[in-house]
Amino acid sequence: QITLKESGPALVRPTQTLTLTCSFSGFSLNTAGVGVGWIRQPPGKALEWLALIHWDDDKRYTPSLKTRLTITKDTSKNQVVLTMTNMDPVDTATYYCAHSDNNYVFRWFDTWGQGTLVTVSS
Amino acid sequence: DIQMTQSPSTLSASVGDRVTITCRASQSISSWLAWYQQKPGKAPKLLIYKASSLESGVPSRFSGSGSGTEFTLTISSLQPDDFATYYCQQYYFYITFGPGTTVAI
Repeated sequence: QITLKESGPALVRPTQTLTLTCSFSGFSLNTAGVGVGWIRQPPGKALEWLALIHWDDDKRYTPSLKTRLTITKDTSKNQVVLTMTNMDPVDTATYYCAHSDNNYVFRWFDTWGQGTLVTVSS
Repeated sequence: DIQMTQSPSTLSASVGDRVTITCRASQSISSWLAWYQQKPGKAPKLLIYKASSLESGVPSRFSGSGSGTEFTLTISSLQPDDFATYYCQQYYFYITFGPGTTVAI
């Protein structure tokens, strides 16, 4: 059974850097074709894809936020970490990590974490 | 950027109704489209991938069709558990989601 769980601060101050961790089980990011993505959802709004890391360490970012995002993986810990710099109140959202094993550069996501709400406020 | 639109934004329906949601892409995305269902306070759930492939465990009353720029999600007979918001997602070039369609009573 594949599970993912996001963790990180619930409150971040403007201009600070957000670090979120996705801890997963039931699969390995060493397995060919596997990927983990991050998607966010502001309150009452639509989903927005942020970043994706593949089993071979290929990384993809949404163009509009590319300069602020970094995604990394720690296969020994079964974790994926997303950092987002220069946080702003408009970045307030629920942040999800999600699993994919369909081996495309850009993918659909078959299993999602429960999400973690991050509020940006002074 | 590939922009995704959905129509309608809100849909009022009754149990047993046949429901169709349309998703359009700003350029051709072949069949690189997925559909998700999301309930309030919950994570999205994958329903359909590759435009028409049903995810394992998803009831057969859900179906997807289309290619190129126009796609549809159909629920053949709406059940009480189906009242939710539905999102399309393209993965042809980067990843973008549609704005969502809420199916309400």
